[in-house]
Amino acid sequence: EAQVTQNPRYLITVTGKKLTVTCSQNMNHEYMSWYRQDPGLGLRQIYYSMNVEVTDKGDVPEGYKVSRKEKRNFPLILESPSPNQTSLYFCASSSNGGRYEQYFGPGTRLTVT
Amino acid sequence: GENVEQHPSTLSVQEGDSAVIKCTYSDSASNYFPWYKQELGKGPQLIIDIRSNVGEKKDQRIAVTLNKTAKHFSLHITETQPEDSAVYFCAANTGGFKTIFGAGTRLFVKA
Repeated sequence: EAQVTQNPRYLITVTGKKLTVTCSQNMNHEYMSWYRQDPGLGLRQIYYSMNVEVTDKGDVPEGYKVSRKEKRNFPLILESPSPNQTSLYFCASSSNGGRYEQYFGPGTRLTVT
Repeated sequence: GENVEQHPSTLSVQEGDSAVIKCTYSDSASNYFPWYKQELGKGPQLIIDIRSNVGEKKDQRIAVTLNKTAKHFSLHITETQPEDSAVYFCAANTGGFKTIFGAGTRLFVKA
């Protein structure tokens, strides 16, 4: 089954404690992206990757890092989480950037206290 | 930069009625306009999309219209059913790697 998986699905952590949210896709897609969803703000793009070892900032990259060492994986790293990063996070993948359908993962709900 | 405005934020309709959600975009270079449906506890899923060389596209009960001059595009759902209840997002893409989403519309279909 073609899918995007994220782990963990739920995470409660404290300010400053480094965390990583994993994302993996099995569709051989070159493009992957991370979004955060906040009430009234929709989905905002954090980072995206056009291919292995190629990443770029989206609209809200501050406080986040990403890496793309393998085609199927695109982890999101919060080196020093803060309460304003409490949000619902989605990973997505596509065969051709934003020009075609993006397939979204099930989401990771992060709470930073 | 690109901005996408979506209205209304909440929409309540009676089962069988039609629902219309409207979006406007700011970047005239935008040429791909997808609509996503997000059910409770799930990630968004594409339901229909339109490219700038087309004015209208239909898929069963769902249709999307695009007015490039006015920079408007709309989602039309006819004969709504309770399972249409969800959050709907419009989005715009200029052909690059960034996609800008609207704030979302929560649709309630009352049985």
